[in-house]
Amino acid sequence: QSVLTQPPSVSATPGQRVTISCSGSSSNIGNNYVSWYQQFPGTAPKLLIYANDKRPSGISDRFSGSKSGTSATLAITGLQTGDEADYYCAIWDGSLITGGFGGGTKLTVL
Amino acid sequence: EVQLVQSGADVRKPGESLRITCQGSGYTFTTYWIGWVRQMPGKGLEWMGIVYPGDSDTRYNPSFEGQVTISADKSIATAYLQWSSLKASDSAIYFCARGDSGARGDLYFDSWGQGTLVTVSS
Repeated sequence: QSVLTQPPSVSATPGQRVTISCSGSSSNIGNNYVSWYQQFPGTAPKLLIYANDKRPSGISDRFSGSKSGTSATLAITGLQTGDEADYYCAIWDGSLITGGFGGGTKLTVL
Repeated sequence: EVQLVQSGADVRKPGESLRITCQGSGYTFTTYWIGWVRQMPGKGLEWMGIVYPGDSDTRYNPSFEGQVTISADKSIATAYLQWSSLKASDSAIYFCARGDSGARGDLYFDSWGQGTLVTVSS
């Protein structure tokens, strides 16, 4: 069972904006930083967002992250068919010194 | 360029032991964590544990503690994930990833290996 809760799936049409939620608690998201990963079938995950809202070099500014209280959100603007993938949020708990992923959200671009 | 190269797919029988590897290059291996992540067939990512090659400090997700051993040999820039007695339920893809811990005290995986498929079947 994942420590973070994500919707199993979301869908949108090309060009639209979509958001993926990641819900936790005061003991995980509430007191720690969230990262987001993108995974295409048969490939390794890729870091999209770290420290709640920071993009690594090379990641499109169409991807953005935010956090409020015990929830985090990944937003993707200007949706493209190439964005169809699974998206995972993750947490590092500095007090428990362990980490965890959300269950993942499958994004379908109709 | 940061690279993590994992050992190839492996097929074992229940009860056998196994060690898979993750070799890092293109960065200072001893100054970043290496994490291991499990992905069972058709399922999501699971955070297993991490090792700091600089001093071999190791942390486990409680769900995996006692089930696997994570270690590293900094002299050859290689991290390991090993089992002493495999079960069919260990069949999965295992990814290693470089863990970057910023000044904020967080940790995230910024580079990933290609994954190792482990199949346990009699």
